[in-house]
Order: sequence, then C-alpha cells, then structure tokens
Amino acid sequence: AQSVTQLGSHVSVSEGALVLLRCNYSSSVPPYLFWYVQYPNQGLQLLLKYTSAATLVKGINGFEAEFKKSETSFHLTKPSAHMSDAAEYFCAVSDQGSNYKLTFGKGTLLTVNP
Amino acid sequence: EAGVTQFPSHSVIEKGQTVTLRCDPISGHDNLYWYRRVMGKEIKFLLHFVKESKQDESGMPNNRFLAERTGGTYSTLKVQPAELEDSGVYFCASSRDTYYGYTFGSGTRLTVV
Repeated sequence: AQSVTQLGSHVSVSEGALVLLRCNYSSSVPPYLFWYVQYPNQGLQLLLKYTSAATLVKGINGFEAEFKKSETSFHLTKPSAHMSDAAEYFCAVSDQGSNYKLTFGKGTLLTVNP
Repeated sequence: EAGVTQFPSHSVIEKGQTVTLRCDPISGHDNLYWYRRVMGKEIKFLLHFVKESKQDESGMPNNRFLAERTGGTYSTLKVQPAELEDSGVYFCASSRDTYYGYTFGSGTRLTVV
C-alpha cells in the first residue's frame, strides 16, 4: 500500500526566506508524485508533478521539487517566500496500476510572516 | 475552458437527513473522482468513474453513500442518512482518458449537526 508522510503540519517562514516542505513516500512500484496547493476558500491546484522524467521538477509560482529515490523523498522548495504563498500544501502519490488514484499526505499549512 | 464545478459550496444538515452533492466535470473529461477530507485527516479517495461506469469504489465508507454519474456527464454523491462523522470537505476532480493531472473543484463543505 502507498503512503505519504509530510513532516510538519505547520511551517512558518519570513517573507523572502527559503521555503522547504518535506514529503516522504512509500510505494511498491515506481510512483508518480505530486504537490497540490489549496489557497483559502479555493480548490486544490496542481503545483507540479513527477512522472519518471527529470528528477528535478519545476512548477508554478517558482516552486520546485526533487525526486530522490534513495531517500524516498519529494521535498518542495522555493528560494524566496512571498506573502501570497500562504496556503496549505499537499503531497500525493499514485501509480498507473491504481488508475491514478491519489494517496495524500495530511498537508502542511504554510504561514509567511512579513 | 471552464473548471470543475461543485455545488453547493456549503451545506449544513441535521443528523439523519439526506444531502446530495453535485459535480460538473470539465467537458470531455471521461474520468471523474470523488475525494473527502475529514477535519484533521488526510484527503482520501472515495471513488472513480470512467464515463458513467464506476471503475473503483473501494474508498466509499459505507452503504449510506451513493454516487452516480448520469450519461457520463455530471455526478452526484448522496449521503442518506447523514451521520456526524460524515462532516468534511468533499472534492470532485476530473481528467482526460490518459493521465496528465487532475483538475479539482473547490469542494463542498458538509457539516452534519
């Protein structure tokens, strides 16, 4: 069975600081990995995805994530946080054999302080 | 293109009542998924339609939940009778026949009191 662990339910950074949101996964087959973001009162928006191509994936709004098979990790980073990045972030995993059914982590709430 | 539309956005009902949630996927998207997030927990898969057929309903909690997809277009999720533990946010998502990423709706926040 697949599972996703997001370390830290709440991360707080200062504006301009590095954003690092951690995600570790377990999967019995090569996974597809995703980061979604949910802004207040909005739906889930896809930030980026890894589907076995380049291990460093660039997404929208300056975010990127690196797939590290040896560490079973897919951490999300952004060099400089903006106030508009404040939202909840979800890491998810799926595989082709599950018809792309997503298994989500519990989410990390990012707060950006001025 | 229009996104995935869900309504109502919020619903407050009493325990024992019936509620029906609706999802309109993006036109042409054969795959439709329902997910749920109970407060404090992770978002969990409920079921998957391919056109009008249920491909996978392994995540449906119990037989109080009934999902339908009329003619492969919009989908409804009925909870009858609702219980307190059914409270949460219900998300719908759709995608084309080959995977390239879901598009999620804004969700329906269901509160059972």
